[in-house]
Amino acid sequence: QVQLQESGPGLVKPSQTLSLTCTVSGDSITSGTYYWSWIRQPAGKGLEWIGRIHTSGSTQYNPSLRSRVTISVDPSKNQYSLKLSSVTAADTAVYYCARARSGWGSWYFDLWGRGTLVTVSA
Amino acid sequence: DIQMTQSPSSLSASLGDRVTITCRASQIVSTYVSWYQQKPGKAPKLLIYAASSLQSGVPSRFSGSGSETDFTLTISSLQPEDFATYYCQQSYSPLGYTFGQGTRVEMK
Repeated sequence: QVQLQESGPGLVKPSQTLSLTCTVSGDSITSGTYYWSWIRQPAGKGLEWIGRIHTSGSTQYNPSLRSRVTISVDPSKNQYSLKLSSVTAADTAVYYCARARSGWGSWYFDLWGRGTLVTVSA
Repeated sequence: DIQMTQSPSSLSASLGDRVTITCRASQIVSTYVSWYQQKPGKAPKLLIYAASSLQSGVPSRFSGSGSETDFTLTISSLQPEDFATYYCQQSYSPLGYTFGQGTRVEMK
């Protein structure tokens, strides 16, 4: 059974860089044709896609966050990571890692981590 | 950027009711729409992909329909475990994915 697990600091100071890692267990991150994404959700609000990466290294980012986001992958560790720079209180949210797969041309998130709360505060 | 607008934002319904949630895209997205269910404190769960394909393991009371800009998620007979928030999501845009703002289904 494939599972995703987010890890990283739960508290980040303003202007610093948020760093999270998603560990994939139960299968190789390189198996299948998937894109590995980060999605966030501020408390009481909706879902916002941050970006995605393929194990080839190809990335795509939400245009509204592109200048501050870097997603990388480490197949040897079966992990991928998120870095979000220059954070503010507006970046406080639950951060999810999620796997995207394709069906009938549509890409959808069929597997999610449990999420990790990151608070931006001094 | 493609905007996904759900309606209503919330609704109250009783057990056994037929519930319909609508999602409208700001431009044509073909059938590249998925639906998710989220319960408090939990990650979203995939229900429907490609507008009308039921994800494995999801009860058949859930169904999806639509194409181009207008999409619908229907729960044919509301069950206690269906009280949750539902999101649509598009994957048509080359700029990436976007979600609707969510529809909260509450008990009447």
